[in-house]
Amino acid sequence: KQEVTQIPAALSVPEGENLVLNCSFTDSAIYNLQWFRQDPGKGLTSLLLIQSSQREQTSGRLNASLDKSSGRSTLYIAASQPGDSATYLCAVRPNPPENFGNEKLTFGTGTRLTIIP
Amino acid sequence: DTGVSQDPRHKITKRGQNVTFRCDPISEHNRLYWYRQTLGQGPEFLTYFQNEAQLEKSRLLSDRFSAERPKGSFSTLEIQRTEQGDSAMYLCASNAGRTNTGELFFGEGSRLTVL
Repeated sequence: KQEVTQIPAALSVPEGENLVLNCSFTDSAIYNLQWFRQDPGKGLTSLLLIQSSQREQTSGRLNASLDKSSGRSTLYIAASQPGDSATYLCAVRPNPPENFGNEKLTFGTGTRLTIIP
Repeated sequence: DTGVSQDPRHKITKRGQNVTFRCDPISEHNRLYWYRQTLGQGPEFLTYFQNEAQLEKSRLLSDRFSAERPKGSFSTLEIQRTEQGDSAMYLCASNAGRTNTGELFFGEGSRLTVL
């Protein structure tokens, strides 16, 4: 059974600092890994998707890396801003089988990020 | 493209009542998913549809839960005889299936409070 862990559960950093969020997973047979942002009481916003064959993806100040063999992904946020305060979740999707199935994402419990002005 | 839309955003009900949530996926997305999220936890998979066919269901989806997607467009999730343990955020997501990257797009969720 796939397990996804995100450490730390909460993180506070001063505005302007660069930071790294961690995600680890136990089964390396993944199809892709997706990072999401969730504001309190809201749904999930997709940030970055990394396919299993890729090493990293970038979008603006965000960079996500994937090391499938070691079961790790990181989300790097450059020049943090108060608007980056949110919970960040990672999720992995298993390899697609021959038949339909294995469609579910397995999520971590998230890292609650607070950027201090 | 208006994104994934969910209704209602918040539902308060008494234990034992039935509730129904609706999800409208991104147009032309043929796959639709339901997840449940409790406070402080990541979302947990409930079920998914490819067009109108329900192809996978989690063990979390007890017999009090039923989901439909009759015309392959919007979907409904009904919970019968609600219990306090059903209180959670119910999230809907969609994607374009295997012809696309597999990226999932979520709605704003429907928060259920069972008194």
